Formats: sequence, structure tokens, C-alpha cells
Amino acid sequence: EVQLVESGGGLVQPGVSLRLSCAASGFTFSSYAMNWVRQAPGKGLEWVSGISGSGGSTHYADSVKGRFTISRDNSEHTLFLQMNSLRAEDTAVYYCAKARASGSYYNAFDPWGQGTLVTVSS
Amino acid sequence: DIQMTQSPSSLSASVGDRVTITCRASQGISNYLAWYQQKPGKVPKLLIYAASILQSGVPSRFSGSGSGTDFTLTITSLQPEDVATYYCQKYSSAPLTFGGGTRVEIK
Repeated sequence: EVQLVESGGGLVQPGVSLRLSCAASGFTFSSYAMNWVRQAPGKGLEWVSGISGSGGSTHYADSVKGRFTISRDNSEHTLFLQMNSLRAEDTAVYYCAKARASGSYYNAFDPWGQGTLVTVSS
Repeated sequence: DIQMTQSPSSLSASVGDRVTITCRASQGISNYLAWYQQKPGKVPKLLIYAASILQSGVPSRFSGSGSGTDFTLTITSLQPEDVATYYCQKYSSAPLTFGGGTRVEIK
């Protein structure tokens, strides 16, 4: 069974950094692109960032480009999101999501983790 | 960037009704379109990918159609357990943008 477990969320002040992790199991991690999606309280889904299976290709939403960095450790089956210069508008539940099929980065997302809440407030 | 516009933003229908949700891309995306269901307080779940392929385990009352810029998600007979917000997403190119969502309620 595929499992994705996020961690690292919490309450932080504006301007600080936070690193999210997503521990994956139940599939050949290095064969699948992975993504981060966030959902602000009461709002819709926003794709944040994605990374290819090898880690050689990354993509970012304009809203986080230059502040967030996605990475992965295929030996540890873990996905990361380094978030710097956090702002109040980054407050959201952050989900990691696996590409539905192996190979191409451009895939639907399935499944999703349970999410981790990041609250940016002074 | 390609924008994804869903309509309506919310709807209320009776059990057994046919429900249709529309998603429009600002540019052509071929069939690189997915639909997700998010029940209240739950994690999003993939319903349909490649515009019309039902994900394993999803009830057959759900169907998707369309190509290019115009897509639809249809629930042929609405059930109480279908109360949720539905999102479309394009994955033809980055950014992998979601639509704004459609909240479905029971009348």
C-alpha cells in the first residue's frame, strides 16, 4: 500500500524558514515524480512545486519561486520542501502527492498524503 | 500561464439528479486533465485522469469528457456520499494549475 506521511509543519513567525518532509513507502520512490500542493484555510487547492523522479527537474509556482526549494532523497524515500522567507499568505495545509504513473513528470496526482499545517503569524 | 476556470462554483441538487461540472482551460491542453473529489475535512482523491479515464475504485456514476479547452465532470445519479468539492487540474505543462473548485450539496 502506498503511504505518504508529511511532517515538519507548525506555527512560525513571518520571515523565518521551515522544512517539510514527506516520507514515502509502498512504491519505487525514484520512479515517480512528486509534488507539493497547499490549501489555505477555507480555500481551494494550489499547486506549489514538483520534482521529477531523479530529482533533476524541478518546477515552482510563481507565488513561491525564489523562496521555496523542492528536493528529494531517493535513498531515504523522502521528499522535502524548504520554505524560506515565509509570509502570512503561505499559511496552509501542505500535501505531498505522488504522480499517478511512473516516468513522465506530467501526471495526475495519486495518492495524496494527509497534509501538514503551516501557520505563519506573529 | 494557462488558467483553469470551473463552473459553477457551487450547486445544490437532489439525490438521483444528474450533475454536470464544467472546466475550461484558457489554452488547449489536449486531454491532460484530471478531476479530484475532496470531501469535507478529507484529503483530495483522484477521480478521473486523461479527461475521461476513471481511476480504479471510483463508482461508475462518475464520468469525464472533453479535450482541448472544454471539459466536463458528470455524476449521473447524485448520492449523499458525493457531497464534496470537486477540482479540475491541468497537467500538460507546468504550472500544474487547479480550477477554483465546485462545491456540491444535496438539496
